[in-house]
Amino acid sequence: DSGVTQTPKHLITATGQRVTLRCSPRSGDLSVYWYQQSLDQGLQFLIQYYNGEERAKGNILERFSAQQFPDLHSELNLSSLELGDSALYFCASSVDRGPDTGELFFGEGSRLTVL
Amino acid sequence: AQSVTQLGSHVSVSEGALVLLRCNYSSSVPPYLFWYVQYPNQGLQLLLKYTTGATLVKGINGFEAEFKKSETSFHLTKPSAHMSDAAEYFCAVARTGANSKLTFGKGITLSVRP
Repeated sequence: DSGVTQTPKHLITATGQRVTLRCSPRSGDLSVYWYQQSLDQGLQFLIQYYNGEERAKGNILERFSAQQFPDLHSELNLSSLELGDSALYFCASSVDRGPDTGELFFGEGSRLTVL
Repeated sequence: AQSVTQLGSHVSVSEGALVLLRCNYSSSVPPYLFWYVQYPNQGLQLLLKYTTGATLVKGINGFEAEFKKSETSFHLTKPSAHMSDAAEYFCAVARTGANSKLTFGKGITLSVRP
């Protein structure tokens, strides 16, 4: 158990819909990262927050957005869903500002299926 | 830009045999290098990392990796495979400083035959 909690574990929805994925980091960790894992693209970095502020941005679509709340949990919002958004979405957390300074601890992921 | 290349998508070894998983990196600045493992239906777990200093890095579960700057490689090895090593292995690179991002390779699935 990494200490990172993601909900829901599985989600099935239809094209055009909007979903919210939630992540609770390990106690004391200030950074939250979101990754998308799919068969064709592999593990793609989406976005990182550190202590409530956006710190680094990767290949995140404009239809996706995220935020980190004062209690440090984070939510990833996916809207106008397309079939290609079906993937496993991982949240990770670390105590430090970035992956160069601290180990990332990953949750078990939220599997999104868009029909 | 930084990236890692993991050649092949699947490696199969016999129990007790040497495990060698290859990773080559590309980075315009000195990189930090990582190997993560993903067991079925689980998140990723850090095996080992190279930041600075000793180029031979030892990790958990008997794995080790050697940073070779001249070859831009960071191959993962284990002298004797165990059935429990069957998993997907990801090499990753990060650069230091602001906007540091952890970039993963496509991963290699390791199968261990009895």
